[in-house]
Amino acid sequence: DARVTQTPRDKVTEMGQEVTMRCQPILGHNTVFWYRQTMMQGLELLAYFRNRAPLDDSGMPKDRFSAEMPDATLATLKIQPSEPRDSAVYFCASGLVGPPYNEQFFGPGTRLTVL
Amino acid sequence: GENVEQHPSTLSVQEGDSAVIKCTYSDSASNYFPWYKQELGKRPQLIIDIRSNVGEKKDQRIAVTLNKTAKHFSLHITETQPEDSAVYFCARGSTLGRLYFGRGTQLTVWP
Repeated sequence: DARVTQTPRDKVTEMGQEVTMRCQPILGHNTVFWYRQTMMQGLELLAYFRNRAPLDDSGMPKDRFSAEMPDATLATLKIQPSEPRDSAVYFCASGLVGPPYNEQFFGPGTRLTVL
Repeated sequence: GENVEQHPSTLSVQEGDSAVIKCTYSDSASNYFPWYKQELGKRPQLIIDIRSNVGEKKDQRIAVTLNKTAKHFSLHITETQPEDSAVYFCARGSTLGRLYFGRGTQLTVWP
């Protein structure tokens, strides 16, 4: 039963520190999504990649967030410097996107707390 | 525009009763409509989806209906059980493959 994996599962850090979150998509999936979930904003799309190329990162604060896919098995989301308002659960999702497929499958999330 | 409106935001039902959650959208190009269930502290999990060429789809106790003309779709859960308690999200798919999510419905099933 293939699943998206994410590390770390929990991260507590201090304001100003760099945070890197990692995601391993399901093998064979061509699209990777990064979401942020908070009570106030719900599920927000931060960025997504198709065949490792960035398609849209308009949901990310550009000055401090960056997302990359160094290879097909790894996606990273980096925050530098982190701020308390970045505290949230960050989900990665992957899917084999292209007609007729649209399904996305979520990883377990990284719970980030910035003090 | 892009958003999906989801109602109600909270729903409480007695075990055995039915629950219905409704979503509306405005982009007529949308052709894919999934529903996700998220239990407390867990990942959203895809539970059922429907494509625009189908009006209804059923999987055991859950069903989804789609009215493309009116641009709304609904999730129906029959014979609810306490383990159905969770947050349910609807979404619509864009032509580029991204999903636009509703704000979620907190369903509580009382035994």
